[in-house]
Parts: sequence; structure tokens; C-alpha cells
Amino acid sequence: AQSVTQPDIHITVSEGASLELRCNYSYGATPYLFWYVQSPGQGLQLLLKYFSGDTLVQGIKGFEAEFKRSQSSFNLRKPSVHWSDAAEYFCAVGARAAGNKLTFGGGTRVLVKP
Amino acid sequence: DGGITQSPKYLFRKEGQNVTLSCEQNLNHDAMYWYRQDPGQGLRLIYYSQIVNDFQKGDIAEGYSVSREKKESFPLTVTSAQKNPTAFYLCASRPTSGVHNEQFFGPGTRLTVL
Repeated sequence: AQSVTQPDIHITVSEGASLELRCNYSYGATPYLFWYVQSPGQGLQLLLKYFSGDTLVQGIKGFEAEFKRSQSSFNLRKPSVHWSDAAEYFCAVGARAAGNKLTFGGGTRVLVKP
Repeated sequence: DGGITQSPKYLFRKEGQNVTLSCEQNLNHDAMYWYRQDPGQGLRLIYYSQIVNDFQKGDIAEGYSVSREKKESFPLTVTSAQKNPTAFYLCASRPTSGVHNEQFFGPGTRLTVL
């Protein structure tokens, strides 16, 4: 069975500082990997995705993530955080089998200090 | 504008009553999904449907039912058998053609059972 772990429940970062959110997954084959962002009381918006090819993936809002097969990780990074990046971030792994069910991590809430 | 609509945004019901949450999409997507979100637990899959008139149970289907009579619509009924129905419910859809199979999410419905 597939699973996703986001070890950090909360992260506080100063505006302008760099941000890295950790994601570790368990999946028997090459996974589809996603990062979504959620503002309070809203739906989820896709930041970026990895299917194959280049292991460094660029997304929207200046985010990037790197797929490391040897570490079963897909960490999300942003070089300089803006106050509007305060939100909850979810990593997800998708099955390549029929249904493409997503399994989500528990989420990391990011607080941005002025 | 294309997108996913969930209504209502907030829903209150008395314990023991069934309640139906609406999800409509005009993206012409074949697959649709229902997730439940509780604080600190990420999203958990309730039901999904890959095609009209067909659906499968997800990880936490007990106490829920769905129908898929039209491609655009995937309503979720929370029955009185669901022991702890108060939660944030998210609907998603996905095109099944092509390789870009990320899920697109609606704005969610917050259900409170009193």
C-alpha cells in the first residue's frame, strides 16, 4: 500500500527566508508525486507534479521540488518566502494503476513572520 | 469559467439525518472523487468514480453513499450510519485521457452535525 509522511506539522519562517518542506513516500513502483497548497477553508491548488524525466520540477508561485528515488523523498522548496505563502501544504502520491487514487500526507502548516 | 462547484459551503444537520453534498464539474472530466479532511489527518478518500454509472469505495466508505448518473455530477450522501460526520468534504475531478492526471479540487463543503 502507498503512504506519505510529512514529518513537520508546523513550520514558521521569516518573510524573505528560504523554505523547505519534507515529504517521504512509500510506493512499490515509480510513483506520480504532487504538491498541493490549501488556504484556510478553501480547496486544494496544485503547485507542481512529477511523473517522469527531470527530477527537479518547477511549479507555480516560485516553488520547486526534487524527486530523490534513493531517499523516497519529494521535498518542496522556495528560495524566498512571501507572506502570501502562509497556508497548508500537502504532498501526495498517486497510483499509476486504474483509478489514480491519491494518498495524501498529513500536511504541513506554514506560518510566515513579518 | 470551467471548474468544480460544491454547494453549500456550510451545512448544518441534526444527528440521525441523512444529508447530500453536491459536486458539479464542467471540465468534461471522466473521473471524480470525494475526500474527507479532518485536522492533522490530511485527506482521506471516501469514494471515486471513473465513469458514469460506476463507482468504487475508497478507504473510508462506511456510512457514505454516492451516485454517478451524469458525467458532470457526483453527489455524496452522508448517512446516519456515519459515526462522526462533522468534517470538511472535498470533491475532485480528473481527466482520464493523457498522462497529465492530476486531480482538480472544488472549494469544499464544511458539514457540522449538531
